Amino acid sequence: EPEVTQTPSHQVTQMGQEVILRCVPISNHLYFYWYRQILGQKVEFLVSFYNNEISEKSEIFDDQFSVERPDGSNFTLKIRSTKLEDSAMYFCASSEVQRNSPLHFGNGTRLTVT
Amino acid sequence: GQQLNQSPQSMFIQEGEDVSMNCTSSSIFNTWLWYKQDPGEGPVLLIALYKAGELTSNGRLTAQFGITRKDSFLNISASIPSDVGIYFCAGAGNTGTASKLTFGTGTRLQVTL
Repeated sequence: EPEVTQTPSHQVTQMGQEVILRCVPISNHLYFYWYRQILGQKVEFLVSFYNNEISEKSEIFDDQFSVERPDGSNFTLKIRSTKLEDSAMYFCASSEVQRNSPLHFGNGTRLTVT
Repeated sequence: GQQLNQSPQSMFIQEGEDVSMNCTSSSIFNTWLWYKQDPGEGPVLLIALYKAGELTSNGRLTAQFGITRKDSFLNISASIPSDVGIYFCAGAGNTGTASKLTFGTGTRLQVTL
């Protein structure tokens, strides 16, 4: 079964550094998402992306964050000037463009900011 | 913002028992989804519900979309050890595309032999 793949599985970075988290969505999917899960908490929406632009973003997704689809297969989340509280699991998800299509999640990137 | 409350927060059951968990919201959702998350992995979709009152099964799992559109339940019959994990409900207010999901607080299930 096709799946969403994310790299790296674990990223350690120092406070203030920039990180790029990468995702390859399912190939026929056209909507892409980033979600975040702080350890022990629920999964939270960050941003949705369609047709090369952001469809919707949460209040968490401020100017520190950006997303990009640099080519036909990758979807990236860039976090600038990382803070300790950015430490979390970051999940990429994708869905088909048809009505009611559910989201399929990757296995996540664990970001640790030291 | 929209909040989904799940109960119970955690449960210990014996293998072979049936399990029931539910999810309630103060807001209406037009789509309800149930996901399972294993440690270190992403949420995996179990069941999707699109119409109020809908009852859907997937193997030993059964879920229902409440008629008020503010709640949903998930039942697992004859639990087995691999059912261990965290179960999240998720609601979407938009039955169209690019549905932003609001996740519940999760129910942690542990199965003893």
